[in-house]
Parts: sequence; C-alpha cells; structure tokens
Amino acid sequence: AQSVTQLDSQVPVFEEAPVELRCNYSSSVSVYLFWYVQYPNQGLQLLLKYLSGSTLVKGINGFEAEFNKSQTSFHLRKPSVHISDTAEYFCAVLNTGGFKTIFGAGTRLFVKA
Amino acid sequence: KAGVTQTPRYLIKTRGQQVTLSCSPISGHRSVSWYQQTPGQGLQFLFEYFSETQRNKGNFPGRFSGRQFSNSRSEMNVSTLELGDSALYLCATRTETPGANVLTFGAGSRLTVL
Repeated sequence: AQSVTQLDSQVPVFEEAPVELRCNYSSSVSVYLFWYVQYPNQGLQLLLKYLSGSTLVKGINGFEAEFNKSQTSFHLRKPSVHISDTAEYFCAVLNTGGFKTIFGAGTRLFVKA
Repeated sequence: KAGVTQTPRYLIKTRGQQVTLSCSPISGHRSVSWYQQTPGQGLQFLFEYFSETQRNKGNFPGRFSGRQFSNSRSEMNVSTLELGDSALYLCATRTETPGANVLTFGAGSRLTVL
C-alpha cells in the first residue's frame, strides 16, 4: 500500500526567504508524484508533477521539486516566497497504472511580511 | 470549459440525518473520486467511480456510499450522520486518456453536523 508523509504540518517563513516543504512516500511499485496547493475556501489545484525523466520538475508560481528515488522523497522548494504563497500544500502519490491518488496530511505555509 | 461543480457548497445537518452531495465533472472526464478533508488528517480517499462502476474504495464505513450516472455526474451519500462526519468533501475528476493522472478538483461541499 502507498502512503505519504509530510514532515511539517506548519511552516512559517518571511517574505522573500527560501522555503522547502518536505514529503516522503512509500510504495512497492513505481509511482507518479504530485504537489497540489489549496487556497482558502477553494479546492486543490496542481502545482507540479513528476511522471518520469528529469528528477527536477518545475511548476507554476516559481515552485520546483526534486524526486529522489533512493530517499523516496519529493521535496517542494521555492527560492523566494511571496505573501500570496500562503496556502496549504499537499504532496500526493499515484501508482503508475493505478486509479487512487493518495494525499499527505498537508503543510500549511504562512508567509509573513 | 466549465470546471468541476459541487453542490451544495455549504450545508448544516443534525446527527442521525442523511445527506447527498453532487459532483458534475468537466466535460470528457469520466473518472470521479471523492475525498474527505478534515484538519490535520489531510485528504482521505472515499471512493472512485468510472463508467458508473465503483473502481476503488477507501476505508470508510458503509454509511458512506456513492454512485455515478451515465453522464458521469456523481453523488455521494452519508447516512446516519455523526458529529465526526463534519468535513469538507471534495470531488476530483480526470480523463482516462494515457498519462492522464492529474486530478481536477471542485471547490468542495462543507458539511457541518450538529
């Protein structure tokens, strides 16, 4: 069975500082990996995804993530955050060929002025 | 094109009642998944439907059920509501074309059980 662990429930950071949101997963088969973002009173929207190929993937709003197979990690990074990045971020995994996307518990990012 | 539409957006029920939530997918999206979101728990997978058949099911009691219609619209039902059922219920849809693995979410139905 797959599982996703987001290592930080809340991450406070000052505006223009770098940020890393950590995600580890477990699966016995190959997977696709995703980061989704949820703004207040909205559903989730895709930030970026790893399907295959280059382990560094770039997404919207300046975010990027690196797939590390040996460490089963998929950490999300941004070199300089903005107030508007304040939201909840979810890491997710899907078995290749599967139909059930499993989500982590989420990391709430607070960007302070 | 129109996004994923969930109705109602907000509702309040009392313990013991039942509730039905609706999800209309994006045109062409035939897979519909339902998730329960509560603080600290993240998104818990309820079930997934494709071509009117439940293809996957999460670890929820039988009080939680769903169905999908021929036009791909889906409903989920929770019977005998409990206080712990208070949550945001999210519907997510996707196509079945190869490599189509990204979910498109609705804004959710926020259920409060008193």
